[in-house]
Amino acid sequence: GESVGLHLPTLSVQEGDNSIINCAYSNSASDYFIWYKQESGKGPQFIIDIRSNMDKRQGQRVTVLLNKTVKHLSLQIAATQPGDSAVYFCAETVVGGNKLVFGAGTILRVKS
Amino acid sequence: KAGVTQTPRYLIKTRGQQVTLSCSPISGHRSVSWYQQTPGQGLQFLFEYFSETQRNKGNFPGRFSGRQFSNSRSEMNVSTLELGDSALYLCASSPGQGLDTGELFFGEGSRLTVL
Repeated sequence: GESVGLHLPTLSVQEGDNSIINCAYSNSASDYFIWYKQESGKGPQFIIDIRSNMDKRQGQRVTVLLNKTVKHLSLQIAATQPGDSAVYFCAETVVGGNKLVFGAGTILRVKS
Repeated sequence: KAGVTQTPRYLIKTRGQQVTLSCSPISGHRSVSWYQQTPGQGLQFLFEYFSETQRNKGNFPGRFSGRQFSNSRSEMNVSTLELGDSALYLCASSPGQGLDTGELFFGEGSRLTVL
């Protein structure tokens, strides 16, 4: 398959700290990237997106950074809260495309 | 506005059987796509429909098929079930013809267990 998810990496952070979740994408032709959050028993939920003509985009408590040179994305969550505990996926596609290729995912655990 | 609705939420089948999963997109959304999620392979694209036409298909065998109706509702079918088909099947809808406005809205999935 195009998305391989074996043993998901886990990031454990203390409540109130900042979290950084990293993702390497595979296709240099991809020009549109999305971060999703998936809580247990639910479908993925959109967090933030970025196009390849940008290298940074900010939302509410979240920032996405894009480094096209090394095909790397990161999601920064400020002041992490227990409700942020979930699996986070990056996804890549092309603008106007209709198919997402997902990364393997990262488990975020927030300790109170 | 109701979200993406998938039925059934849980089902158990035996090898060799077939299954049909249903998805109702968000009202007004014309694109519906399906993804398979397993612990081993993660989230993988199955297919995407827009205005009743399949526009893209992932790398799955022909046992996996789908269709979209004129009201944008979609179904996917898996025939001759195998143990490895056990997975969470996720449906997602989006408003337009392509992903450029960000949001692909996912349902909560149909969890299929094949015994």
